[in-house]
Amino acid sequence: AQSVTQLGSHVSVSEGALVLLRCNYSSSVPPYLFWYVQYPNQGLQLLLKYTSAATLVKGINGFEAEFKKSETSFHLTKPSAHMSDAAEYFCAVSLQGAQKLVFGQGTRLTINP
Amino acid sequence: GAVVSQHPSWVICKSGTSVKIECRSLDFQATTMFWYRQFPKQSLMLMATSNEGSKATYEQGVEKDKFLINHASLTLSTLTVTSAHPEDSSFYICSPFSGHRNQPQHFGDGTRLSIL
Repeated sequence: AQSVTQLGSHVSVSEGALVLLRCNYSSSVPPYLFWYVQYPNQGLQLLLKYTSAATLVKGINGFEAEFKKSETSFHLTKPSAHMSDAAEYFCAVSLQGAQKLVFGQGTRLTINP
Repeated sequence: GAVVSQHPSWVICKSGTSVKIECRSLDFQATTMFWYRQFPKQSLMLMATSNEGSKATYEQGVEKDKFLINHASLTLSTLTVTSAHPEDSSFYICSPFSGHRNQPQHFGDGTRLSIL
């Protein structure tokens, strides 16, 4: 069975500072990994995904994530936070070829002016 | 533009009412539909998976008679919460999938259901 753990339910950074949201996964087979963003009362928007190609994945809005098999991690980063980045972020895992997603608990990102 | 249309976006109704939520894929055929539920300040939990023309497969702990799923066409699936009670209040999100492995996963904007 697969699972995802997001470390930190709430992360707060200053505008312009580095954003780091942590995600560790558990999977018995090589996984597909995703980061989604959710704004209040809205659905999910895909930021980026890892599908066993390049380990460093670049996504939208300046976000990127690095797949580290040795650490079973897929942390999300952005060099410089913007006020519009304030939202809930979810890490998710799926089996290759399957679209059934298992989500982490979510991390609420707050940006301080 | 949006590729998934989910309606209604917000429903408030009395206990005992049945509520139907529609999810449409706008520019692709959804062979599979995933329905998720999200309680306040929590993550999304998969409720059920349906394939067009077949009965839905429900996750453990999800009552199939409470949450009726219809996926009669490749562009429309519905979730009906029957005889809703306050504990059914939640945010419901659909996710249609085309069946093509390299296609992105799309999500509806969700339906906030509040049962009084």
